[in-house]
Amino acid sequence: GAGVSQTPSNKVTEKGKYVELRCDPISGHTALYWYRQSLGQGPEFLIYFQGTGAADDSGLPNDRFFAVRPEGSVSTLKIQRTERGDSAVYLCASRLAGGAGGELFFGEGSRLTVL
Amino acid sequence: SQQGEEDPQALSIQEGENATMNCSYKTSINNLQWYRQNSGRGLVHLILIRSNEREKHSGRLRVTLDTSKKSSSLLITASRAADTASYFCATDRRTSYDKVIFGPGTSLSVIP
Repeated sequence: GAGVSQTPSNKVTEKGKYVELRCDPISGHTALYWYRQSLGQGPEFLIYFQGTGAADDSGLPNDRFFAVRPEGSVSTLKIQRTERGDSAVYLCASRLAGGAGGELFFGEGSRLTVL
Repeated sequence: SQQGEEDPQALSIQEGENATMNCSYKTSINNLQWYRQNSGRGLVHLILIRSNEREKHSGRLRVTLDTSKKSSSLLITASRAADTASYFCATDRRTSYDKVIFGPGTSLSVIP
């Protein structure tokens, strides 16, 4: 596609429920990032994929959070047993390749509200 | 933990004035990038400066990098109301250059 696409744009769920957030990166971009952003804060790094593998998942806050990228393109961020503190905007970004640096292209984000 | 810290946290200026935002970071980097975010939207890349560069220009934007002080500044000249947004610096660290870390940002308001 022309840009990074994230779905859903908004998700309201109840505490304890399971949530999946999807990211479709720019075609050909091998590096994919997930960030979490709370109101008035900067994006907080969660996980980075190079191809199909998670090269760095050090930002995932706990084992309720998991992300996959099985074919090296679309990625899904999965949150189990959601808590109110998980409410935030989840941002996905992609870039051509890791290692060489370069700009990140961001999606519009998925706003998650846990009631 | 955050790699970068921006200051000021918030900045309000009149249209036509220049806006300067600063970013400090803690570890050695490969490059530093600046991004802009309009309210409720995703981030948009503005400019990238590599660790061996000291200054870079793009239109009304001027970025400087001082690796000895581990700091960068973003200058927006002749500001416009449309420049109202949050601005973030982000670093590709030398030891883990795939992991891009963002600072807390500066909220800029340009008053018409």
